[in-house]
Amino acid sequence: AQTVTQSQPEMSVQEAETVTLSCTYDTSESDYYLFWYKQPPSRQMILVIRQEAYKQQNATENRFSVNFQKAAKSFSLKISDSQLGDAAMYFCAYRSAMATSNTGKLIFGQGTTLQVKP
Amino acid sequence: KAGVTQTPRYLIKTRGQQVTLSCSPISGHRSVSWYQQTPGQGLQFLFEYFSETQRNKGNFPGRFSGRQFSNSRSEMNVSTLELGDSALYLCASSLGVSGASKNIQYFGAGTRLSVL
Repeated sequence: AQTVTQSQPEMSVQEAETVTLSCTYDTSESDYYLFWYKQPPSRQMILVIRQEAYKQQNATENRFSVNFQKAAKSFSLKISDSQLGDAAMYFCAYRSAMATSNTGKLIFGQGTTLQVKP
Repeated sequence: KAGVTQTPRYLIKTRGQQVTLSCSPISGHRSVSWYQQTPGQGLQFLFEYFSETQRNKGNFPGRFSGRQFSNSRSEMNVSTLELGDSALYLCASSLGVSGASKNIQYFGAGTRLSVL
């Protein structure tokens, strides 16, 4: 069974600074997707960034980028130029890409609460 | 395009009652997945429906059930409610195409269920 671990329950960053959230996962599959979701106090889960395991290039979305280390099974999220609106809980998630597997099942980490200080 | 809509936003029930939650997916999405979110257990997968059929199921007791209609709207039912069922229930919709790299899940705002 696949597992996702986020070892940092809480993180804080100064506005305009950079912060990195950690995520490790365990799987025996070779093809999968990894995601970072953001959940603000409004509760709506929002996709931040995604990474396909077969792509070696790290994904980037504006101020958000990932450091994907497939051999180490590590998938960290870097937020540059942090803004007050980035304050939220961040979840790392895994989804199998196997055609015969659980297409709609996301496996989540426990989450990291990010505080942004003005 | 409208997002994923969950109703109601809040529910208060007593132990032993049953409850039905509703989820309307994004237009064109055929897959609906349900998740339970609690402070202790985090986010856990309940089940997924695709084209009116349950495609995947998590490790929850049979009191948790669901269904999907021909318009892809989904309902989740919990019977004989227990205190531990108090949680935020999230649904997510996606295209549901197996293995598609763009098969991203979009979430609703959730239904907050409190069992007294």
